[in-house]
Amino acid sequence: GDSVTQMEGPVTLSEEAFLTINCTYTATGYPSLFWYVQYPGEGLQLLLKATKADDKGSNKGFEATYRKETTSFHLEKGSVQVSDSAVYFCALSGANSKLTFGKGITLSVRP
Amino acid sequence: EPEVTQTPSHQVTQMGQEVILRCVPISNHLYFYWYRQILGQKVEFLVSFYNNEISEKSEIFDDQFSVERPDGSNFTLKIRSTKLEDSAMYFCASRLAPLNTGELFFGEGSRLTVL
Repeated sequence: GDSVTQMEGPVTLSEEAFLTINCTYTATGYPSLFWYVQYPGEGLQLLLKATKADDKGSNKGFEATYRKETTSFHLEKGSVQVSDSAVYFCALSGANSKLTFGKGITLSVRP
Repeated sequence: EPEVTQTPSHQVTQMGQEVILRCVPISNHLYFYWYRQILGQKVEFLVSFYNNEISEKSEIFDDQFSVERPDGSNFTLKIRSTKLEDSAMYFCASRLAPLNTGELFFGEGSRLTVL
């Protein structure tokens, strides 16, 4: 079945550091890929998405590129801020249109 | 901005008790979901609901679980006889369009603690 694997966390960075959060997936067919974010005390929010190979999703300075050859959708940001501290979930939507999530990773950004 | 709201935010219950978690999806949305996240584990799909019936359910969603949309606005998850392993954060979600074109909107979650 479909699955998503995220790198182990938590991740702690200083403000303005470069961020990479790895995500790989296993799915049949051509899934859509998503990053969701959960800020403290809030629900899951869609951060960005990509619906086909080589698409790049971007939002709030975050980017992720759909890499079919490596089955990956790594999240990157060039310069993180304290306000980016949150839990980040990689997810995919397969043929049945339901979301399959990764485990999530907690990012803490120090001033 | 329209949002999905969930109540209660936290419920503590004794094993064997019935629990109802409530959700108010965004008003014009058509597809509804429950997910759960046991502490430290993945967010897991429980059930999807469309056109007043369950469209898909996972292995987790056994006979102890049920969902209802009783009045056109609320979407509830009932656990008939809670077990310790039901302790988790439960997320409700809704969307308007098919997932590949429409965003899934989540509530803040309801934390269930079973003692």
